[in-house]
This record gives sequence, C-alpha cells and structure tokens, in this order.
Amino acid sequence: NAGVTQTPKFQVLKTGQSMTLQCAQDMNHEYMSWYRQDPGMGLRLIHYSVGAGITDQGEVPNGYNVSRSTTEDFPLRLLSAAPSQTSVYFCASSYSGQGTTEAFFGQGTRLTVV
Amino acid sequence: KQEVTQIPAALSVPEGENLVLNCSFTDSAIYNLQWFRQDPGKGLTSLLLIQSSQREQTSGRLNASLDKSSGRSTLYIAASQPGDSATYLCALPGDDYKLSFGAGTTVTVRA
Repeated sequence: NAGVTQTPKFQVLKTGQSMTLQCAQDMNHEYMSWYRQDPGMGLRLIHYSVGAGITDQGEVPNGYNVSRSTTEDFPLRLLSAAPSQTSVYFCASSYSGQGTTEAFFGQGTRLTVV
Repeated sequence: KQEVTQIPAALSVPEGENLVLNCSFTDSAIYNLQWFRQDPGKGLTSLLLIQSSQREQTSGRLNASLDKSSGRSTLYIAASQPGDSATYLCALPGDDYKLSFGAGTTVTVRA
C-alpha cells in the first residue's frame, strides 16, 4: 500500500539553488496538493491540482512552481531557494465522490536552505 | 474563508485519563471533517473522517462528534496511553477540496 510517496525525505540546499520535490500517488486520485508546515504557522497550501493538466495557486505560492502532466505525479519546484523556504513540505492527494472527500498525506520532505 | 481553531494548544494528562480535543470552524457548509495524528518529525495519519450528515464516528478508543450548527467537532480518546502522545489536527475541505487546518493540539500522556 504505497499511498502518497514523497522524495527526498531530507534535503539541504544552498541559497539560490533549485530543486524538485517529488510526489507520487497510486490511488488514482484527482486532487493533489502541496502544503508547507512551519512552527506557529500550521499547514499552509502552496499549490494544488484538480486533475492532470490543471494547477492553481494556494495561499503561499511565491517561489514555487508545479505541473501535473499525469494523474499520479505532482512535483514541486523551488526556483531559487531562499532561507525562508526552510520548512517541512507535505504532499496530499484526495478523492471525491458522493459528496464527500478524504485526504491522504505523504511522510513529508524536510528542507533546510542555508 | 474557513477559519479553524483548536483549543487547547497543548494538553498533558496522566495515563488512563480520557482525552477531549476540540475543533471549531466558522463555515458550517462543510463536506466533512477529518482528524489527523502527527508524530514528531512524521507525516499526517488520518484517524477519523466524519461526514457532514453524521453526528459521530468511532474507531476503537477514538470517537469524533460533529455539530455543524455550532461549528464544533470533538475528538474523544478513551483511556489514554503514552503511545497517544502526538499532535492532533482537524481539517475541513473547502472549494476544490482544499483543506483548512487547525493549528493542532499537542498531547502528552504521562506514564
């Protein structure tokens, strides 16, 4: 039961470097999203997707790009890393049906930008 | 915009005591409410999903109630154990199923 898989689990970047956080789900869910979790700030939505080829911005999108070329994958790209992007990143996928929905989360990527 | 509040922010109880965790929300037009558990340095594990049409949902020692009219959900954990120590988060999906989270309640169960 893979569910939602995130890679890497840990990453250290230098300021200005770029990288891609990977997220894959094997549940055929339409909806995928990226959150960041910071102490005292809770979980905040970065970007989300309602299906392949469709993405939109969340609450804190600046400095991040996403794409959704397949149902399974939803990578998050940091264009030019900044210390303010030091955080724990969570990917989630959700299904919807019969007027309800349920979200499933990956184990997170802990990112430090120095 | 859905605003979600969890009180208290932290809770410490002796083993065996029942836990009561509260979640309040401002918009009663909800699909459902989901309770998660998060261990330190780990991801979010779904505990219970309570549908908007339900009043409560149970799983083992866990029971979640929902009162849409007052904008409240309560998670009860019976006979707490040290292994229940974690942060508990409630979340509600909104437009495009985007989740609004509470800040969480961090629980410590003392042996």
